[in-house]
Amino acid sequence: DAMVIQNPRYQVTQFGKPVTLSCSQTLNHNVMYWYQQKSSQAPKLLFHYYDKDFNNEADTPDNFQSRRPNTSFCFLDIRSPGLGDAAMYLCATSRTSGIPYEQYFGPGTRLTVT
Amino acid sequence: AQTVTQSQPEMSVQEAETVTLSCTYDTSENNYYLFWYKQPPSRQMILVIRQEAYKQQNATENRFSVNFQKAAKSFSLKISDSQLGDTAMYFCAFMKHVRGSQGNLIFGKGTKLSVKP
Repeated sequence: DAMVIQNPRYQVTQFGKPVTLSCSQTLNHNVMYWYQQKSSQAPKLLFHYYDKDFNNEADTPDNFQSRRPNTSFCFLDIRSPGLGDAAMYLCATSRTSGIPYEQYFGPGTRLTVT
Repeated sequence: AQTVTQSQPEMSVQEAETVTLSCTYDTSENNYYLFWYKQPPSRQMILVIRQEAYKQQNATENRFSVNFQKAAKSFSLKISDSQLGDTAMYFCAFMKHVRGSQGNLIFGKGTKLSVKP
């Protein structure tokens, strides 16, 4: 089945130690998103790629960066994780043709910062 | 800026009964989309139902239906014949129409629904 895959599902990192989360998709969607979801809160958009164009939300900290080497893969890099960055990170995809506004979510990566 | 408000942090319903989850939103846009997403415990978020603002008819998907009141900026979700598998966090979300592009989802804080046997 076509899907959005996130690895790893659980990630533990140390305070200040860089960490990378990955997302891949087999849907061939041209838009990919990264959301941060803290405990009992709504998902908050960090940034998205429209094809190769990177779109950063105004309030996304500089500590968060992203890479999209090809259509299928997208990475979230946290340069110096703080305790406040502990959260579930959700990857989502969508397309801008056909029915363009449905987003498909991956299962998420739960990040713990020690 | 758009905001989405879900005033019910938690709700419960007996299996086979009907429950309604509330959502209100604030926007000055005229063209937009509204969604209900379901996030089961430890599982991925999936789309339950969507509504285009230009459509007057309320969307339905099997046991799920919405009551869309555009003037009141209200978008409630009704779940009929509740099943144990409906237990999940439900998020209401707004997306403005962006011509030739892709708008961003703005989520409410969610309603945790528990279906009891």
